[in-house]
Amino acid sequence: EPEVTQTPSHQVTQMGQEVILRCVPISNHLYFYWYRQILGQKVEFLVSFYNNEISEKSEIFDDQFSVERPDGSNFTLKIRSTKLEDSAMYFCASSVGSLSYGYTFGSGTRLTVV
Amino acid sequence: GENVEQHPSTLSVQEGDSAVIKCTYSDSASNYFPWYKQELGKRPQLIIDIRSNVGEKKDQRIAVTLNKTAKHFSLHITETQPEDSAVYFCAAGGADGLTFGKGTHLIIQP
Repeated sequence: EPEVTQTPSHQVTQMGQEVILRCVPISNHLYFYWYRQILGQKVEFLVSFYNNEISEKSEIFDDQFSVERPDGSNFTLKIRSTKLEDSAMYFCASSVGSLSYGYTFGSGTRLTVV
Repeated sequence: GENVEQHPSTLSVQEGDSAVIKCTYSDSASNYFPWYKQELGKRPQLIIDIRSNVGEKKDQRIAVTLNKTAKHFSLHITETQPEDSAVYFCAAGGADGLTFGKGTHLIIQP
């Protein structure tokens, strides 16, 4: 069964540093997403990406965040200057599209900001 | 934006009994309603989903119902087993993203 692949599985970074989280969505999927989950809390939507542009973003996704699909296979989330409260599990997901949803989640990257 | 409420936050049932988790949503434009099971430290796993043109869907011991008029949907698990113990999340949305409920910790008592 096709999978969404995320790397790294765990990243520790110092406050104020930039981090890039990487994802390889399923190859025939058209919609790409980032979600985050603070420990013990619900999954929160960050951003959706379709046709090489952001289609929707939440209030969490401020100027410190950006996404990119640099080479047609990878989908990255960048946090420019990390804060302690950015510590969370970040999940990438992808979907075939509007006619058939079926989101597939990656296994996540645990980001720890110290 | 969408707002999803989920109840209860914790549900304890005897093994073999049924469990019901309920969610409400606010945005009438939402047309996709998945349910996820999440074990500690792992990704959400889709267990069943329903689209807005369907009122009920069943897959073995799991069923989901949707009432679009009332904007609520429910997960039903029958003949619960120990391996059903996990956190369950409902979500609502569409191709542009999902809004999740706060989760229900389902505990199956032996």
